[in-house]
Amino acid sequence: QQQVRQSPQSLTVWEGETAILNCSYENSAFDYFPWYQQFPGEGPALLISILSVSNKKEDGRFTIFFNKREKKLSLHIADSQPGDSATYFCAASVRNNRIFFGDGTQLVVKP
Amino acid sequence: GALVYQYPRRTICKSGTSMRMECQAVGFQATSVAWYRQSPQKTFELIALSTVNSAIKYEQNFTQEKFPISHPNLSFSSMTVLNAYLEDRGLYLCGARGDAETLYFGSGTRLTVL
Repeated sequence: QQQVRQSPQSLTVWEGETAILNCSYENSAFDYFPWYQQFPGEGPALLISILSVSNKKEDGRFTIFFNKREKKLSLHIADSQPGDSATYFCAASVRNNRIFFGDGTQLVVKP
Repeated sequence: GALVYQYPRRTICKSGTSMRMECQAVGFQATSVAWYRQSPQKTFELIALSTVNSAIKYEQNFTQEKFPISHPNLSFSSMTVLNAYLEDRGLYLCGARGDAETLYFGSGTRLTVL
């Protein structure tokens, strides 16, 4: 059973729009949710993360919205730039335990 | 800041031969190291989780006999792919974690098998 699911599989937005990437999870014990950004040929880089005690986390143009009751979260990328084009992975874990990854959302930002 | 160096970036080996990849943590102590394989479709497969001073735990479908891992100290880990075949192709990722929750990845080792 897949522990973390992401949608859509791919997303195209215009420069300046807000991209919304969705994620859901199975295990209600998960309490740590990092998002990773991966460019072609590179390893994933931590972008932003949230703990389950919070329902929102902002870092510049990147915001995570978290709904513990529905076991869902989303990553909003405001004022999207062509340089944001990458694959984004939602992940989840019980803190300091194994991290489970979704299958990613491939984001394309058109100029 | 915390960094993870992984090398080589890419390697090509003949079918049936072996290759070794290495991972070095800089700026933090890597108390645990997770080795993943990422498929062309971007799916992550956890190969094994290594914690210093504990046994290395391999996931189903991966064995120590095929993917021996060394994690001798808090800054270094290596993994070897023995007798590589076509199905072993992919991007191998080393993820290192210190005392905090954050898992830092290296740039990956892309394995091509001829």
